[in-house]
Amino acid sequence: KAGVTQTPRYLIKTRGQQVTLSCSPISGHRSVSWYQQTPGQGLQFLFEYFSETQRNKGNFPGRFSGRQFSNSRSEMNVSTLELGDSALYLCASSLDPGGHNSPLHFGNGTRLTVT
Amino acid sequence: GENVEQHPSTLSVQEGDSAVIKCTYSDSASNYFPWYKQELGKRPQLIIDIRSNVGEKKDQRIAVTLNKTAKHFSLHITETQPEDSAVYFCAAGRGSTLGRLYFGRGTQLTVWP
Repeated sequence: KAGVTQTPRYLIKTRGQQVTLSCSPISGHRSVSWYQQTPGQGLQFLFEYFSETQRNKGNFPGRFSGRQFSNSRSEMNVSTLELGDSALYLCASSLDPGGHNSPLHFGNGTRLTVT
Repeated sequence: GENVEQHPSTLSVQEGDSAVIKCTYSDSASNYFPWYKQELGKRPQLIIDIRSNVGEKKDQRIAVTLNKTAKHFSLHITETQPEDSAVYFCAAGRGSTLGRLYFGRGTQLTVWP
């Protein structure tokens, strides 16, 4: 079974630009959640989608948005990039939402660098 | 919402020694506590979890203990090996309709040969 696939692996963008990251979950998984990982801050929750609906959202500004398609693939978008948005963005999929009844399976992440 | 504190942020041990990582949580309704391990350059992976109806769970060299009264839980690794070197994240959450996991900031464990 293929794991969670995130594309692209690396991105370099300039301040003010926007970026779209993609996540393909494990086949059969309908929940996709996104995390921002920076040194010392751990895994900061962005949002979670289940069956194309956003069911939970973290404390990030409105510049961070996401969506989920009918095939469970998900995208997240960051507009008006700031230097502080430089981070590893991880996507995780699971059978059920919330990460309680079934474990989170993480992708390898997208490393975003904003210059 | 839930607040998860994790200590220490870094931990160095000699191979063969034990390592203990502790986490506290604030929401007494949290009932699920997983631990994830992230090796350098790799994705986080679930290594063990515990639910609030048990106090301890073991899987070979790793164990997790839970104290619901004090609202803290710990990861114990015995007979550490260099391949245990990684960042470990604890998390807490409740299985409600809008439940989600709240992660600690992580502990960088280094095991010296």
